[in-house]
Amino acid sequence: DTAVSQTPKYLVTQMGNDKSIKCEQNLGHDTMYWYKQDSKKFLKIMFSYNNKELIINETVPNRFSPKSPDKAHLNLHINSLELGDSAVYFCASSQESRGGFDTQYFGPGTRLTVL
Amino acid sequence: AQSVTQLGSHVSVSEGALVLLRCNYSSSVPPYLFWYVQYPNQGLQLLLKYTSAATLVKGINGFEAEFKKSETSFHLTKPSAHMSDAAEYFCAVSDLQGAQKLVFGQGTRLTINP
Repeated sequence: DTAVSQTPKYLVTQMGNDKSIKCEQNLGHDTMYWYKQDSKKFLKIMFSYNNKELIINETVPNRFSPKSPDKAHLNLHINSLELGDSAVYFCASSQESRGGFDTQYFGPGTRLTVL
Repeated sequence: AQSVTQLGSHVSVSEGALVLLRCNYSSSVPPYLFWYVQYPNQGLQLLLKYTSAATLVKGINGFEAEFKKSETSFHLTKPSAHMSDAAEYFCAVSDLQGAQKLVFGQGTRLTINP
C-alpha cells in the first residue's frame, strides 16, 4: 500500500494554464505539506496543513493555492503557470507532534514542466 | 532561523570504501536533525533522525550519523559502500519556531565506483 501518493507523476503544460496536483495519505496523519524541488535539487517548503487548517505559508506567489478537503488529502492548484514553476513538487505527511518532531513521509513527487 | 550546509555537492567513493557525507547546521536551540535519501526519480526516504536521545544514531541500510554539538555537525557515514547506495542525500534540520518545518541542505550526490 502506498503511504503518500501523488497524481499525476508527470505534468507538461503551457504557460498561462491552470493545473492541479493531488496528494493523498493513508497513514492517518494530521499534518500534510507541499515542498518544491528546483532544478538544482534544492528543496523548500511551500505550505503545511494540520487537520485542514493552514499552518505554514511560505513566501509563495498567490497563484499557488493549497486545498485540503479532509485531513487525508492536500491538493495544490496553480493558476497562470509560468516557466519558473517548472520543478518537482513533493507532498509529505506527519503525525501531529506532541512534544517531539515527527518524521515526515514523502510522496513520489510530481514533475511539472511548463513550456 | 535554522539552516543546513552540506559540504560537497558530489561525493564519489569506490565500492567497499567508507562513505562520509558532511552536514553542518546552525540553530540557536538543540535541533532535531534528519538524513533523507532520494533515489533517481523517486521521493525522499528517511534514513535516520536525531531527536536529542543518543548522539550516535543508526539508520537503515547500514548508515549512521553522529550528532556533535560542539562542531554543530551531523555527518552521515557507512563503513562499506554498496553500488545501491548511489543516490542524492539530504540533511535537514527542524524549524522549532512553532510549526514542523524541515529546512534542507542543498543535497550531496553520492556516486559509487565499481
